[in-house]
Amino acid sequence: DAGVIQSPRHEVTEMGQEVTLRCKPISGHDYLFWYRQTMMRGLELLIYFNNNVPIDDSGMPEDRFSAKMPNASFSTLKIQPSEPRDSAVYFCASSPWTSGNNEQFFGPGTRLTVL
Amino acid sequence: KQEVTQIPAALSVPEGENLVLNCSFTDSAIYNLQWFRQDPGKGLTSLLLIQSSQREQTSGRLNASLDKSSGRSTLYIAASQPGDSATYLCAVEDGGATNKLIFGTGTLLAVQP
Repeated sequence: DAGVIQSPRHEVTEMGQEVTLRCKPISGHDYLFWYRQTMMRGLELLIYFNNNVPIDDSGMPEDRFSAKMPNASFSTLKIQPSEPRDSAVYFCASSPWTSGNNEQFFGPGTRLTVL
Repeated sequence: KQEVTQIPAALSVPEGENLVLNCSFTDSAIYNLQWFRQDPGKGLTSLLLIQSSQREQTSGRLNASLDKSSGRSTLYIAASQPGDSATYLCAVEDGGATNKLIFGTGTLLAVQP
């Protein structure tokens, strides 16, 4: 398996623009997570899905952020409109969550810069 | 609210030394604890996962221990190598199988050749 795939790897945009980050989880994993990493706040969970259904979005910072998972092999995180303080590395992770094994596997991340 | 702390924040050792990284958490009701490695500009690589019922896990030169009652975990790296240089993060999953990982701030390790 290729692991968790994220695109793009780098995104530079201007304030006010819409940004869409994409993630393909590991095949067979039932859980998908979106995290954000900044120097100030470290790694924070934004939202996670189980079998394509959003379970907990309490970490989503504002209404400008939205996430979808239309099928088991694809998820998006959208920021509209983007602001400079959204600049961070966004990670997607997936987990099989079988009994005794809920290890999370991370993608390489998308480095977002909002000017 | 669960808080995870890692000490030290940074560590520099000469090649070949054995070393210990520490992780502490405030709420002992955890489901599991996971250690990750992060190389600069890269994603996280899972190293070891310890279930709440376990005391330790080993993988090669790495050994992680868990003491739930005291809210502590250690990652022991034997015979360190320059290739071990990275940031090491621990994360706990709160009890109740919520699948939510709460991360520590990490320890930046530099192994000098």
